[in-house]
Amino acid sequence: DTGVSQDPRHKITKRGQNVTFRCDPISEHNRLYWYRQTLGQGPEFLTYFQNEAQLEKSRLLSDRFSAERPKGSFSTLEIQRTEQGDSAMYLCATGWSLMQETQYFGPGTRLLVL
Amino acid sequence: GNSVTQMEGPVTLSEEAFLTINCTYTATGYPSLFWYVQYPGEGLQLLLKATKADDKGSNKGFEATYRKETTSFHLEKGSVQVSDSAVYFCALSGTSYGKLTFGQGTILTVHP
Repeated sequence: DTGVSQDPRHKITKRGQNVTFRCDPISEHNRLYWYRQTLGQGPEFLTYFQNEAQLEKSRLLSDRFSAERPKGSFSTLEIQRTEQGDSAMYLCATGWSLMQETQYFGPGTRLLVL
Repeated sequence: GNSVTQMEGPVTLSEEAFLTINCTYTATGYPSLFWYVQYPGEGLQLLLKATKADDKGSNKGFEATYRKETTSFHLEKGSVQVSDSAVYFCALSGTSYGKLTFGQGTILTVHP
C-alpha cells in the first residue's frame, strides 16, 4: 500500500453514461498524475496537476474527459458519454517535488463499459 | 517523442535461475530511468531507478545500469524466487513535469 487511494476500485457502466473517479494523494504530495492502462500495455499519461493547477494534458484526453484538483488535495477524473473504448484501468500517481521524480501509484479504478 | 521498448514476454523461469529483462529507450536529453513492478492484485510499485548515465539502481536483489551509449536499462537478478512473479515495467521520465513513459510490461512467472 503506497498511501495513494482511489475510489471506486471497480466500475461497470453502460455506454453513454457518465462516470467519475476519485484519487486521494499521499498527504503533502503536490504533484498528481492520471494514467490509463489497457490490458497487456503499460500505463499511458493522461494529465498532470501541480497543486490545483492542471499543467499538462495528453492528446489521449478527449473532450469527454475532464479532471479537477480543487484546493490541491484530492483529484477527480470524469468521463462523459462513455464509450466501450474507455474500458481500462485508470491509475493515479502522486509525488513530491520534481527533483524527487519518484511517483507513488494508487491501486487503480477498473472501468468496464458495456 | 520518447518511447520505451521491453523484451517480449512472458518469461518463465525456475526458482534460483538468472533473470534478465531487456529495456531500451528513445529520448531527447537526459531522462531518468525506472523499473516498476506490479504484483498480482496490487498497484504499481517502484522497484529501482537511476538518474544519470552509468548509475546503477538496485533493490531486493534486482539491479539495472543506466547505459547511455546503448540507450538501455536492462533488469537483472542473480537468483529469482517464486515471490518475484509479477509484471515488470521499464519507464523513463525526461519530459516536462516528470510524466512517465512506460514500456508494455513483461510478465515473469517463477516456478518452484
